[in-house]
Amino acid sequence: SQELEQSPQSLIVQEGKNLTINCTSSKTLYGLYWYKQKYGEGLIFLMMLQKGGEEKSHEKITAKLDEKKQQSSLHITASQPSHAGIYLCGADIKWKSSGDKLTFGTGTRLAVRP
Amino acid sequence: DTEVTQTPKHLVMGMTNKKSLKCEQHMGHRAMYWYKQKAKKPPELMFVYSYEKLSINESVPSRFSPECPNSSLLNLHLHALQPEDSALYLCASSPTEGQVKLAKNIQYFGAGTRLSVL
Repeated sequence: SQELEQSPQSLIVQEGKNLTINCTSSKTLYGLYWYKQKYGEGLIFLMMLQKGGEEKSHEKITAKLDEKKQQSSLHITASQPSHAGIYLCGADIKWKSSGDKLTFGTGTRLAVRP
Repeated sequence: DTEVTQTPKHLVMGMTNKKSLKCEQHMGHRAMYWYKQKAKKPPELMFVYSYEKLSINESVPSRFSPECPNSSLLNLHLHALQPEDSALYLCASSPTEGQVKLAKNIQYFGAGTRLSVL
């Protein structure tokens, strides 16, 4: 079963519009990551949230981790064509009895119309 | 500088070929990772090396053979692959391996190698 669900799966917005992407977990989240991936390319680290209620911003992108630490949201203000790509959340899932593994969400494909 | 370099960018191979993917980082990171990503799916972990020793093998078929010759290099040797192995192979590195919730273990990714098996 998928442990991290993202919504929406895909999104098309007009340039200049705001948008929000959600990442929901069935378990308490620790160390929630947001990455961006251009189609067919590598992942670019955006930001990491560690504590419930934490909020971080980078340029026009803001991410929050909710109080119960089971959901994170990524908000883009005044979207631009450069924001287009696939947004992936990632979190640690216990791997057997030791060590941690970064597991990714289902991804959200964003297109921005000029 | 958070650069992870992967070569080649594209690779086409037959099912009887032997090829290798290469990954390099000069950030002093001691953990390196191989992920496999199929179209429209998230990356899935294959292997983790920590201090040049294999730490995690996610039950990957033996036709994939990882190697970490030194702390900066990670290879993935390919032999007798199947067409379903066609995918984007991503390499990543982090300062250390361990608790993902710690900022010191943030993973930085390369651009990937697009592999097609005919």
